[in-house]
Amino acid sequence: KAGVTQTPRYLIKTRGQQVTLSCSPISGHRSVSWYQQTPGQGLQFLFEYFSETQRNKGNFPGRFSGRQFSNSRSEMNVSTLELGDSALYLCASSKSVFQETQYFGPGTRLLVL
Amino acid sequence: KNEVEQSPQNLTAQEGEFITINCSYSVGISALHWLQQHPGGGIVSLFMLSSGKKKHGRLIATINIQEKHSSLHITASHPRDSAVYICAVRSLGDKLIFGTGTRLQVFP
Repeated sequence: KAGVTQTPRYLIKTRGQQVTLSCSPISGHRSVSWYQQTPGQGLQFLFEYFSETQRNKGNFPGRFSGRQFSNSRSEMNVSTLELGDSALYLCASSKSVFQETQYFGPGTRLLVL
Repeated sequence: KNEVEQSPQNLTAQEGEFITINCSYSVGISALHWLQQHPGGGIVSLFMLSSGKKKHGRLIATINIQEKHSSLHITASHPRDSAVYICAVRSLGDKLIFGTGTRLQVFP
């Protein structure tokens, strides 16, 4: 069974630009969560989607948004990029949302210049 | 004060030693996760606990809900166990809150 895939793996953008990151969950998994990891703040929860609905959102500004499609694939978008958005963005999938083990993708490393 | 605290922050060990990493949390939870992150970023979920104890190979995870504390034990440690170990709790508000991680280095 293929694991969680994320594209692109690496990305360089400049301040003010926007970016879209993609996550394909494990086949049969309907829940996708997104996380941001930085050296200063560690891992932080961004959003959680289940069956195309956002179930939960972390404490991030409105520049961070996401969506989930009917095939469970998910995208997250960051608009008006800031230097502080440079981070590793990880997505994880699970069969459902309730006390399920999450399977993490390799991450997208975003550098904002 | 962080809602999820891990100790120690850094840990070095000789191959074969017994290792314990601790996690304390201050919020109500529905589950606790232990994650392993190797250099390069890949994260693997090791355990998900809501009570008691789980064992997988040389790894053992325990949780005490009353004391809001969990431990991850590694028996007969090996250099390939070198990684960052992260504790995360799913709060009753259904959000995943992460500890800052414990960096483990096991030397041959």
